[in-house]
Amino acid sequence: NAGVTQTPKFQVLKTGQSMTLQCAQDMNHEYMSWYRQDPGMGLRLIHYSVGAGITDQGEVPNGYNVSRSTTEDFPLRLLSAAPSQTSVYFCASKRSPDNEQFFGPGTRLTVL
Amino acid sequence: DQQVKQNSPSLSVQEGRISILNCDYTNSMFDYFLWYKKYPAEGPTFLISISSIKDKNEDGRFTVFLNKSAKHLSLHIVPSQPGDSAVYFCAASAIQGAQKLVFGQGTRLTINP
Repeated sequence: NAGVTQTPKFQVLKTGQSMTLQCAQDMNHEYMSWYRQDPGMGLRLIHYSVGAGITDQGEVPNGYNVSRSTTEDFPLRLLSAAPSQTSVYFCASKRSPDNEQFFGPGTRLTVL
Repeated sequence: DQQVKQNSPSLSVQEGRISILNCDYTNSMFDYFLWYKKYPAEGPTFLISISSIKDKNEDGRFTVFLNKSAKHLSLHIVPSQPGDSAVYFCAASAIQGAQKLVFGQGTRLTINP
């Protein structure tokens, strides 16, 4: 199993550009989430999904969009990038009854 | 408003000694607590957890203590090893198995030989 994979590893955008961060898992986990990590802030939940076709907002959803058309994939879209979205983004997945979330390696995004 | 706080950004401990990482929370609705470990350029990995019905949980060298009345938990690592050098995040949720976690800011632990 590859676990949770994220692409790209690094990305530089200009203000106003849009892009999609990819996340895939091969563990057949129902739950998937997106977090961002900023210095001094820990990890903050952006959006999450409890299954295909079902998504909901987390703590910091503004400026981001998600969809979940399959169990395996959970892409995160930045609609119009802003410097405040410079961060490291982590995707995570877990089985519904379990406590442990499995995280991907992260995408480091810089918005100029 | 930081609901889960790790007030020590960094901690340095000698190899073989005990490392104690602390975490405080403000939301009394939190019922389940987890510790994650993160190496540079990798995602966090689950380390250990504790339910609010317990005050202690052990897994090998790692022990988590929970003091509900003080809204405080701590992670003890004994003995500390160089491979334990990492950033440790405390996280909390309202129920066991919940998807929504609230994380602390993290503490960078350095184990010195």
